[in-house]
Amino acid sequence: QSALTQSASVSGSPGQSITFSCTGTSGDIGGFNYVSWYQHHPGKAPKLIIFDVSDRPSGVSNRFSGSKSGNTASLTISGLQAEDEAIYYCSSYTDSNTWLFGGGTKVTVL
Amino acid sequence: EVQLVESGGGLVQPGGYLKLSCVASGFSFSDSAMHWVRLASGKGLEWVGRIRTKSNGYATGYGASVRGRFSIFRDDSANTVYLQMNSLKAEDTAVYYCTRLPSDSSAYSDHWGQGTLVTVSS
Repeated sequence: QSALTQSASVSGSPGQSITFSCTGTSGDIGGFNYVSWYQHHPGKAPKLIIFDVSDRPSGVSNRFSGSKSGNTASLTISGLQAEDEAIYYCSSYTDSNTWLFGGGTKVTVL
Repeated sequence: EVQLVESGGGLVQPGGYLKLSCVASGFSFSDSAMHWVRLASGKGLEWVGRIRTKSNGYATGYGASVRGRFSIFRDDSANTVYLQMNSLKAEDTAVYYCTRLPSDSSAYSDHWGQGTLVTVSS
């Protein structure tokens, strides 16, 4: 199984909204509502920001939102802030009873 | 407060073995499935494997790149999950994280440890 496909990088100015995607197959993203997103500041532990496609853990800003259409999931960050600069990874459960991650999208706040 | 503390990383030669430990606290460890995930320099996260709870027979699953070489087991009495890594290769060099799934049927990790670095090199 190949990793999920994410764009390598995206950038935006403070206050803007950005959206980036995560593409898989019918055997993973398309087959289950089990997509999660993690924020990673290098040197720190990754942090869960979205689970089950669009649910937010308590304590995570509502500026983060997730969605899915077919085999592609998306993460939107609205009102971009400097602290949002990080690498974002998507993950999905698969029909092989395993998990896949994407290669990560580096978000830069201009 | 949920805490996950990994240990056991270090330098090992190709073909060697290493056992990582992850001690959990702040939650009912025996009720949670646990994952291992790794991050190699310059690459993305990679799922290594999972162990379920006693009620699900401590079932395990592994990623394709480690299947047959790595094994996961747990000691609920010690709140600890282990990753036994055999036949190590250079491409296994990474930071290894243990993660908690909030329930045995969850499909996401809500807490991660700080990670332990494994370097496979001669």
